[in-house]
Amino acid sequence: DAGVIQSPRHEVTEMGQEVTLRCKPISGHNSLFWYRQTMMRGLELLIYFNNNVPIDDSGMPEDRFSAKMPNASFSTLKIQPSEPRDSAVYFCASSPRTSGSRDEQFFGPGTRLTVL
Amino acid sequence: AQTVTQSQPEMSVQEAETVTLSCTYDTSESDYYLFWYKQPPSRQMILVIRQEAYKQQNATENRFSVNFQKAAKSFSLKISDSQLGDAAMYFCAYRGAQGGSEKLVFGKGTKLTVNP
Repeated sequence: DAGVIQSPRHEVTEMGQEVTLRCKPISGHNSLFWYRQTMMRGLELLIYFNNNVPIDDSGMPEDRFSAKMPNASFSTLKIQPSEPRDSAVYFCASSPRTSGSRDEQFFGPGTRLTVL
Repeated sequence: AQTVTQSQPEMSVQEAETVTLSCTYDTSESDYYLFWYKQPPSRQMILVIRQEAYKQQNATENRFSVNFQKAAKSFSLKISDSQLGDAAMYFCAYRGAQGGSEKLVFGKGTKLTVNP
């Protein structure tokens, strides 16, 4: 299995530009998570989906952030317009979400976003 | 809201020695899961060990073990026979088991250095 795939691995953009981060979960996993990691705030959950439906988006910082999961094998996190304070590492994770509810979340390699 | 606290921003250990990383959490739930994740310089998040709150027996995975004290809301990680490859950031995480939420709440992390 290829694991969770994220693209791009690094993104450098200028303030005001639109940024789209992409994630392909592990095949067969039906829960998908977007986390953000910064020095100040650590690792925070932004949003998660179960069976392509957003379940908890309470961590999405503001309206500039949006996430979609059009099908079971693809999700995007979009920031429009981007700001320097959005600079962080963004992780995508997926989980099989079996009835046991003790499932591990498998993390992708992350996307390092720098907004100048 | 649940919180996770790691009071040691940095720790160091000599190769082959034992080190213990501390973690405390705050929750009003009676059933939950606790995790330790490792993040090496590659940035990849790797699950080290997990503990179900309803289990009294402490989890172990080879050289890694936990000391779970439910009443004290404490969940420390012990690494025995430390190896150079154990050098990484270690994150303690909490996940509730009630209500179906899959949200992971992370501590700020402890940076572990292993000295040869």
